[in-house]
Amino acid sequence: QKEVEQDPGPLSVPEGAIVSLNCTYSNSAFQYFMWYRQYSRKGPELLMYTYSSGNKEDGRFTAQVDKSSKYISLFIRDSQPSDSATYLCAIKAGGTSYGKLTFGQGTILTVHP
Amino acid sequence: DTEVTQTPKHLVMGMTNKKSLKCEQHMGHRAMYWYKQKAKKPPELMFVYSYEKLSINESVPSRFSPECPNSSLLNLHLHALQPEDSALYLCASSQRHGDIYEQYFGPGTRLTVT
Repeated sequence: QKEVEQDPGPLSVPEGAIVSLNCTYSNSAFQYFMWYRQYSRKGPELLMYTYSSGNKEDGRFTAQVDKSSKYISLFIRDSQPSDSATYLCAIKAGGTSYGKLTFGQGTILTVHP
Repeated sequence: DTEVTQTPKHLVMGMTNKKSLKCEQHMGHRAMYWYKQKAKKPPELMFVYSYEKLSINESVPSRFSPECPNSSLLNLHLHALQPEDSALYLCASSQRHGDIYEQYFGPGTRLTVT
């Protein structure tokens, strides 16, 4: 069993749709949760980071963490063609200020006009 | 400013060449990273430097040699690479303040080994 599971998709939605991206994890030591967006042939871009359970909103993006279920989500409202990219969840255990991120496999999202 | 810069953007090298990848950040982060990413895969950690000291080496072959000259710079020296080493090489830096942890990536160097 992988430490972080993410549905690779691909996911195709019409413009304006609400997109839900999800990851599950198995290690209770994970404390820091991040979502990255990666366009083709570019580096990952940090979209959201969260620590505690609950919701965090930034514009059209909402990150949700449920530590009791070991489940994290990213919601994209009013999706745009420019949101078409690969979305990676990344999780880090607590402790040191540096350390290994454990990534999901990434979900490929296409938003068509 | 959350920018991590990397040079060069593209690199083609033969198996007998020696080359270096460079990374720079001016966010005051004290941890810096090298990752390797193959197509349609997530980034794979190679090395971590914390306060300019090598803290993690993920059993990377010795043909990859990292160097951290100062807190803002990170190099990756390449020698005698194999074609399977062709990939996107990503640099990253991070900081943690209590509940906040952020790791930022550079745009990457696309390496082709011929």
